[in-house]
Amino acid sequence: EVQLVESGGGLVQPGRSLKLSCAASGFTFSDYNMAWVRQAPKKGLEWVATISYDGSSTYYRDSVKGRFTISRDNAKSTLYLQMDSLRSEDTATYYCARLGDLPLFDYWGQGVMVTVSS
Amino acid sequence: DIVLTQSPALAVSLGQRATISCKTNQNVDYYGNSYMHWYQQKPGQQPKLLIYLASNLASGIPARFSGRGSGTDFTLTIDPVEADDTATYYCQQSRNLWTFGGGTKLELK
Repeated sequence: EVQLVESGGGLVQPGRSLKLSCAASGFTFSDYNMAWVRQAPKKGLEWVATISYDGSSTYYRDSVKGRFTISRDNAKSTLYLQMDSLRSEDTATYYCARLGDLPLFDYWGQGVMVTVSS
Repeated sequence: DIVLTQSPALAVSLGQRATISCKTNQNVDYYGNSYMHWYQQKPGQQPKLLIYLASNLASGIPARFSGRGSGTDFTLTIDPVEADDTATYYCQQSRNLWTFGGGTKLELK
């Protein structure tokens, strides 16, 4: 059974940093591209970043470029999102998602809440 | 950027048909496939894949759900609607990076 479990969320002040983790199991992690998708309170889904299966390629939405870094450790089957210079508008539930071949988000974690506030 | 537009809400009666639309500002077709997908999200839960490549049912999804469309116009149909279908439905394109529609909240009359 595919499982994605996020951790590392919490309350952080504007301008500070936070690092999210996503532990994957139930599939060969190193075979799949992975992504982070977020959802602000009472709002819709928003793609944040994607990393290729081997970590060689990364993609970001414009609003997080230069502030967020997606990475992975295939030996630990873990995905990361380093978030720097956080803003109030980054407040959201962050989901880790597996990218299938098409590419679409075929499995999702339960999500982790990040609140940016002073 | 590819922008996806959905109506915010839809109310239907139990047992009736629900049709949710999604329009894009650019063509999402490529080599014979439409890179449009649909997800269902219930309150407090993560999204779940329903339909991929516009019209293909994801694993374990009941045949009451169907999708169609191509180019810039797509629809998700639920027929007949059951009480458990109350949720927000999102379209999503993967033709050029990834973007979601704003979501359509399905409610029962």
